[in-house]
Amino acid sequence: AQSVTQLDSHVSVSEGTPVLLRCNYSSSYSPSLFWYVQHPNKGLQLLLKYTSAATLVKGINGFEAEFKKSETSFHLTKPSAHMSDAAEYFCVVRKSMEYGNKLVFGAGTILRVKS
Amino acid sequence: DTEVTQTPKHLVMGMTNKKSLKCEQHMGHRAMYWYKQKAKKPPELMFVYSYEKLSINESVPSRFSPECPNSSLLNLHLHALQPEDSALYLCASSQDVGSSGNTIYFGEGSWLTVV
Repeated sequence: AQSVTQLDSHVSVSEGTPVLLRCNYSSSYSPSLFWYVQHPNKGLQLLLKYTSAATLVKGINGFEAEFKKSETSFHLTKPSAHMSDAAEYFCVVRKSMEYGNKLVFGAGTILRVKS
Repeated sequence: DTEVTQTPKHLVMGMTNKKSLKCEQHMGHRAMYWYKQKAKKPPELMFVYSYEKLSINESVPSRFSPECPNSSLLNLHLHALQPEDSALYLCASSQDVGSSGNTIYFGEGSWLTVV
């Protein structure tokens, strides 16, 4: 069964320092993995996705993630945090079902950016 | 244009009311979804429509009734809800349900409060 585990419920960084949000996945075959961001009182925005092409995936707003099969990880990184990055981030795996696919969300990581 | 539009943004309803949430997309997508997000929790799938037919119902109570009048519109009819149904209801769409590479685009959500 496909699932994801976000290892940190909260991460706090200073503006201008690197961001690392950790996600491990469980899947019996090559997964489709996503990172979504949700700003306060807003909907979900796709940051990036991995679908078995390049293992290093670049997304919007300077974020990127690396798919590591040996570690079953898909961590999200950004070299330099900006105040506007403060939000909740969800690591997501696509789960195959009999009549289609559905997204299974991790518990979320709240990113706080200090000035 | 990667936009999913949801109305209303906020809805307060009594437990005996009947109301509807509406969702619209003009990306030519043939799969549409309803997700429910309780406070401080990740989104959870409720329903999936594929080519205007209900393909997945995640054991949602019958007081929630989805409807897909055409390929661009998705409604969620609400009747006799309970206070614990208060949540953010997110609509989403994708090209179809079958491909693992498809991106699922989310709307901003409708905040529902049941009093």
